[in-house]
Amino acid sequence: DVQLVESGGGLVQPGGSLRLSCAASGFTFSNYWMTWVRQAPGKGLEWMANINGAQNGKYYVDSVKGRFTISRDNAKNLLYLEMNSLRVEDTAVYYCARDLVGQQLVFDYWGQGTLVTVSS
Amino acid sequence: QSALTQPPSASGSPGQSVTISCTGTSSDFADSSYVSWYQQHPGKAPKLIIYEVTERPSGVPDRFSGSKSGNTASLTVSGLQAEDEADYHCSSRGVFGGGTHLTVL
Repeated sequence: DVQLVESGGGLVQPGGSLRLSCAASGFTFSNYWMTWVRQAPGKGLEWMANINGAQNGKYYVDSVKGRFTISRDNAKNLLYLEMNSLRVEDTAVYYCARDLVGQQLVFDYWGQGTLVTVSS
Repeated sequence: QSALTQPPSASGSPGQSVTISCTGTSSDFADSSYVSWYQQHPGKAPKLIIYEVTERPSGVPDRFSGSKSGNTASLTVSGLQAEDEADYHCSSRGVFGGGTHLTVL
């Protein structure tokens, strides 16, 4: 069975950094585009960033460009999101998700999410 | 791209049908085949229920159906059941709507 398990969330002060991880299993990880999606408390979903299997394609939403970095380790089946210069408005549950096909940005499997709280 | 527009709430009685709309601009639906819908129960991760406008992943009941006309996509839930009470999110190529909370009366 496909499984995605996020970790690394927590409480961080504004301006701080955090690295999220997503452990994948049950499929050939390197064959899939992977994505981070976040959901602020009581709000809708927001696509953050994605990366292809070869790691030569990375895309970000404008609000996190220059602050967040997506990466992956195909040998360890791990997806990462390095978050720097965190702002209060980055507070959200962060989900990793697998793209159904290519870069359609249709997500057929999701992790359970990890909560990031940015507060002083 | 701006977020897609969904009504904040919808409701129906058990057994009834409910349709949730998702409106965007012509550019939002330029790749018209990539409309998807997700169901999210409280405290849970989203679950893909419709992709490519009308397709259902394996295991999703055929009570869920999707359609699109012009700049509006729609999700119809037929034969409402208590477990259908959840938030529903539309998406087109990674741009999401604000979500619609479906209440089963």
